[in-house]
Amino acid sequence: QMQLQESDSGLVKPSQTLSLTCAVSGGSISSGPYSWTWVRQPPGKGLEWIGYIYHSGTTKYNPSLKSRLTISLDRPGNRFSLELRSVTAADTAVYYCARHNSYLYAMDVWGQGTTVIVSS
Amino acid sequence: DIQMTQSPSSLSASVGDRVTITCRASQSISSYLNWYQQKPGKAPNLLIYAASHLQSGVPSRFSGSGSGTDFTLTISSLRPEDFAAYYCQQTSTTPSTFGPGTKVDVK
Repeated sequence: QMQLQESDSGLVKPSQTLSLTCAVSGGSISSGPYSWTWVRQPPGKGLEWIGYIYHSGTTKYNPSLKSRLTISLDRPGNRFSLELRSVTAADTAVYYCARHNSYLYAMDVWGQGTTVIVSS
Repeated sequence: DIQMTQSPSSLSASVGDRVTITCRASQSISSYLNWYQQKPGKAPNLLIYAASHLQSGVPSRFSGSGSGTDFTLTISSLRPEDFAAYYCQQTSTTPSTFGPGTKVDVK
């Protein structure tokens, strides 16, 4: 049974870079039919799709974040990462990593989420 | 981007009630519609994929229907563990987008 676990980013200062990693266990990130996704949820609000990276390395980003965003794979470490630059208070949220299953066209495995607060 | 709306935004119900939540897309998404349940402090959990397919391990009291722009999630007989928020999501095009959610609480 595949499991995902986000790293702890905690507090990030405005204008700095938010970096998160999602460790994958119980399977390889290099195998299909999966892509590796980030979703966030501001406090008390709904879910926002951030983007994903295919097992091939191809990425798809939310246009609203694209200019500040990089999602990458670490194949030897069997993990994937999110980097969001020039953060503001609006980036404060719970960040989830998830597995997008291309057979289901849905996210069927999720990490437990990590809270990121942007504050000076 | 495709906009997703849900109704109602919240509802109060009792154990045993039949509950129906509606999701509408701003343009046709065929059957690329998923439903998630989220409990406080927890990650979302996939209930229904491709509009009407029950995810493995999800109780059969949950069902989904619809295609094109209009979709429904039905809980046939509400159980205590079903009080939660429910979100629809379209995966027809990127960026994938979620509905604003429907909170189901105790009447």
